[in-house]
Amino acid sequence: QSVLTQPPSASGTPGQRVTISCSGGSSNIGSNSVYWYQQLPRTAPKLLLYMNDQRPSGVPDRFSGSKSGTSASLAISGLRSEDEADYYCAAWDDSLSGYVVFGGGTKLTVL
Amino acid sequence: QVQLQESGPGLVKPSQTLSLTCTVSGVSISSGSYHWTWIRQPAGKGLEWIGRIDTSETKYNPSLKSRVTMSVDTSKNQFSLRLSSVTAADTAVYYCARSSVGSGFTWGQGTLVTVSS
Repeated sequence: QSVLTQPPSASGTPGQRVTISCSGGSSNIGSNSVYWYQQLPRTAPKLLLYMNDQRPSGVPDRFSGSKSGTSASLAISGLRSEDEADYYCAAWDDSLSGYVVFGGGTKLTVL
Repeated sequence: QVQLQESGPGLVKPSQTLSLTCTVSGVSISSGSYHWTWIRQPAGKGLEWIGRIDTSETKYNPSLKSRVTMSVDTSKNQFSLRLSSVTAADTAVYYCARSSVGSGFTWGQGTLVTVSS
C-alpha cells in the first residue's frame, strides 16, 4: 500500500495527451515538492520532473507537471511509442522523522 | 557527470545481513551538498525508499529503520547499505542514488539481490 496513490494504468494513442494523477496528503504533497520518474522496461528510473513542474535538461517539453493542494499530475502531450513506460511520483513526507514516499506507479501503454 | 555503481552479493540467505556498496564517480562524496540514498524495487512492484546519508545525518524509512544501517567511506568515495535479518520479502533490485535539495534522484543501474537458502 503506497502512501501516494496513482492509477495502476493509463493509455493513449500516438499524438494524444494523457494525464497521470498522484494523490497524497498534507504531510507530503500538501507541504513538499513532487517529483516524477520514468522507468522504461528493464532500466533504472530516470528523473522526469522536479519541484512539481521543472524539467531537467534533455526532457522534452511534451512532459509537464502541476500540483494543487494534496494532488499532483503529470501530463504527456503528443504521445509517442517511446513514452510507454512506468511512471512514479514521489515526495518528501514530514511525518515521523521524515522520509521519501513513492506512488505505486502507473503503467502507460501507447496503443 | 556523476555516476553511481552498486556492488555486492547477489544471493543472501534468510536471517543473514544484506550488504551493498555504491561507488560514486564524478563528484566527491564528502562535498556536503548531496544526500546519498538507497531505494529498492521488488520484481514487478513499485519503488521503496530505504534511507539516505549525508555529512550530517542519516534518515531511514520508518518501516525498515530497525534493520537498516548506512555508512560512508570517503577514502573510497563509496557509501554502503546493511540490512539485517533478511527474508524473502527483501528480494529486490537495489538502487543507489544521489539527490540534493530540490533536485530529484540521479540513479545507479541497480543490482538484484535474492534472499534464498
